[in-house]
Amino acid sequence: KNQVEQSPQSLIILEGKNCTLQCNYTVSPFSNLRWYKQDTGRGPVSLTIMTFSENTKSNGRYTATLDADTKQSSLHITASQLSDSASYICVVSDRGSTLGRLYFGRGTQLTVWP
Amino acid sequence: EADIYQTPRYLVIGTGKKITLECSQTMGHDKMYWYQQDPGMELHLIHYSYGVNSTEKGDLSSESTVSRIRTEHFPLTLESARPSHTSQYLCASSESDGQGNTEAFFGQGTRLTVV
Repeated sequence: KNQVEQSPQSLIILEGKNCTLQCNYTVSPFSNLRWYKQDTGRGPVSLTIMTFSENTKSNGRYTATLDADTKQSSLHITASQLSDSASYICVVSDRGSTLGRLYFGRGTQLTVWP
Repeated sequence: EADIYQTPRYLVIGTGKKITLECSQTMGHDKMYWYQQDPGMELHLIHYSYGVNSTEKGDLSSESTVSRIRTEHFPLTLESARPSHTSQYLCASSESDGQGNTEAFFGQGTRLTVV
């Protein structure tokens, strides 16, 4: 069964600190993995995309890693800001269907305190 | 910001009423989707469309229906709303980059409350 599991479910950190969010998946055949940021009451917005051959990708203070062998990804946030408070969703796309199926994790709710 | 719009953003309605949630995109995407999301839970696909006059049901069973008469428009209708329909509904459209990599663009969502 294709699944995406994220941890932790929620996380509270102080402003300026770093944090790492985890994503494990069983989706096969794998196409790509995206991290989305979803602010409360809004739609998800894409942060990074990782394909099979990529190990790491950065977008400003966000750095995503991918280990396709162990089917794990992480999202590292550096020097957190109050505006980073949001839900971070790991989304994996398969290559086995014309739909380009998207499998969503439940998200990690990040709260940054001043 | 992606060019995909949902209206209304919030809707409180009585049981038994008929409602239509609007979704429009100006990116010319053929693929469009409706997802349902409860607080703290993952997004569940309830409907999708590959193009005009194409609609399919998703993984999560839903009493809602959709139509795709125009490429840019993908409305969702509930003929008789019930409290169990209370949820957030997210519309999305997607494009592929020719290498099988799909990016979905999401609307702001409609928070539906049925009382």
